[in-house]
Amino acid sequence: AQSVTQLDSHVSVSEGTPVLLRCNYSSSYSPSLFWYVQHPNKGLQLLLKYTSAATLVKGINGFEAEFKKSETSFHLTKPSAHMSDAAEYFCVVSEAGSARQLTFGSGTQLTVLP
Amino acid sequence: DAGVIQSPRHEVTEMGQEVTLRCKPISGHDYLFWYRQTMMRGLELLIYFNNNVPIDDSGMPEDRFSAKMPNASFSTLKIQPSEPRDSAVYFCASSYRVGVINGYTFGSGTRLTVV
Repeated sequence: AQSVTQLDSHVSVSEGTPVLLRCNYSSSYSPSLFWYVQHPNKGLQLLLKYTSAATLVKGINGFEAEFKKSETSFHLTKPSAHMSDAAEYFCVVSEAGSARQLTFGSGTQLTVLP
Repeated sequence: DAGVIQSPRHEVTEMGQEVTLRCKPISGHDYLFWYRQTMMRGLELLIYFNNNVPIDDSGMPEDRFSAKMPNASFSTLKIQPSEPRDSAVYFCASSYRVGVINGYTFGSGTRLTVV
């Protein structure tokens, strides 16, 4: 069975400072991992994905995430936060052979302070 | 490509009424998913289809919920009769044959309010 834990339900940063959103996963098989972003009253948008290639994954809008198998982590980072980054972020895991189902984390609400 | 299209964007209905949510997946995607998002339970998978056939409906909360996919370009999620606890945002998503390595493309959702 697969699961994902987002360690912080809310994160606040000042504009221009680094962003770190933490995610740990559990998976019996080689997982695929994703980060999605949801802006207020919008659908979910794929930020980036890990699918057993390079462990450091670069996504849109300057975000990146590093897959660390030894730590079962897939933390999302950005060097410098922008006001437009304020949104909810979901870490998602999918296992090979899981009939293509995604398991979503509970979400992290990112607030960017001016 | 216009992406996954859901309608309506917002729906307000009275308890006991029938509600139908609609979804048009991306052309060529052979998997279609219905999710429900609430503050209490987060994102829940309700049902998914492969090549228009329902594969797993174990997430459908009860018999009041039903979903159909009559063809590759259209799916509906129906609630009859609706109840206030059904109030949520309902998302439709679709994906390619190669499946999870591309992730899913989500629609903008339908915000349902049952009063």
